Amino acid sequence: EAQVTQNPRYLITVTGKKLTVTCSQNMNHEYMSWYRQDPGLGLRQIYYSMNVEVTDKGDVPEGYKVSRKEKRNFPLILESPSPNQTSLYFCASSFVGYPLNEQFFGPGTRLTVL
Amino acid sequence: KNEVEQSPQNLTAQEGEFITINCSYSVGISALHWLQQHPGGGIVSLFMLSSGKKKHGRLIATINIQEKHSSLHITASHPRDSAVYICAVGRGPSNYGGSQGNLIFGKGTKLSVKP
Repeated sequence: EAQVTQNPRYLITVTGKKLTVTCSQNMNHEYMSWYRQDPGLGLRQIYYSMNVEVTDKGDVPEGYKVSRKEKRNFPLILESPSPNQTSLYFCASSFVGYPLNEQFFGPGTRLTVL
Repeated sequence: KNEVEQSPQNLTAQEGEFITINCSYSVGISALHWLQQHPGGGIVSLFMLSSGKKKHGRLIATINIQEKHSSLHITASHPRDSAVYICAVGRGPSNYGGSQGNLIFGKGTKLSVKP
């Protein structure tokens, strides 16, 4: 089944404890992206990647790191999480180029930083 | 002012009604997306378009590039259409195929369709 998977789905952690949220897709998509969703602010893009070893900042990259060493994986790293990173996180992927290609979203990861 | 504005923020309709959700943007874009977020939180892509009109079942999406405006229409609405509908614009350059890159989102329109 074609899908985007995220792990963990739920995580409660404490300030300063490094964590990684994994994202994996099995559709051979070039494009992958991370978003966070907060009440009143909606979805905002954190980082995106157009292909292996190519990553770019979105609108809210501060406090996050990403890497794209393999086409299927795009982990999101929080080196020193803070309470303002408490949020619902989504990973998405798609093909690049014409015809326009829809994004496939993962199920979301709900992160709480105490 | 947000770069992507949606209206209305909330919409309640009776089953069978024709629904329109609007999206206006102020930046140059490569493509516009319409997304649906179910009450359980999952997000599904409905449409991506850079010009004209697309139709899928009871859903129709249009875009007017000159006016920087897009609309999502739902014909013969049904309670299962109840969800948050989100507009997003891609600011990726044309060599990204016009489809992806940096995306910015509207705050969403919460639709509730009553039986």
